[in-house]
Amino acid sequence: DTGVSQDPRHKITKRGQNVTFRCDPISEHNRLYWYRQTLGQGPEFLTYFQNEAQLEKSRLLSDRFSAERPKGSFSTLEIQRTEQGDSAMYLCASSHGGVGANVLTFGAGSRLTVL
Amino acid sequence: ELKVEQNPLFLSMQEGKNYTIYCNYSTTSDRLYWYRQDPGKSLESLFVLLSNGAVKQEGRLMASLDTKARLSTLHITAAVHDLSATYFCAVLDSGGGADGLTFGKGTHLIIQP
Repeated sequence: DTGVSQDPRHKITKRGQNVTFRCDPISEHNRLYWYRQTLGQGPEFLTYFQNEAQLEKSRLLSDRFSAERPKGSFSTLEIQRTEQGDSAMYLCASSHGGVGANVLTFGAGSRLTVL
Repeated sequence: ELKVEQNPLFLSMQEGKNYTIYCNYSTTSDRLYWYRQDPGKSLESLFVLLSNGAVKQEGRLMASLDTKARLSTLHITAAVHDLSATYFCAVLDSGGGADGLTFGKGTHLIIQP
């Protein structure tokens, strides 16, 4: 298992364009999380899935943000009509879920720059 | 709303010295995590603390948890250059069912020879 994979690693886009990020979690993990990290800050929780069910999305930053995990495996995070304030690192993490430690394993992130 | 505060936010220290990073959080939680992040890299899990009085140690790092004080510490013993990184604590935010981790701003640690 190669860990949590994210694609693309870097994305530069113009304001107003739509962008989509993909995350492939560790195969046996049923939970998948999206976080945003800006410079000098800790990661900020956005949303998470248990298998294909999106259990929390109220923390998504606006209605321009949406996430899917259609078959309970990979996930996508889409940002529509990007704004300069969306520039950040978008991190995906996965875990076994359930009781116990539930340690999140993070991917390397997708860095977004909005011009 | 759960708040997680770390201090210091920046620390420069010499090799061989000891130091402690503090993590305070504002509401009851039963899980606290410590992560390490190297520049340009993702977060690496260091410790998970699940109960009051829990203590975990790995090499020169030791983490502890006091749930009554809502405080965790990360102690560095005889620091070496390889420990230079940003360290984050994170607390499970189970209030309202979000089940996501709330992170502190991180402690940027530089260890000089």
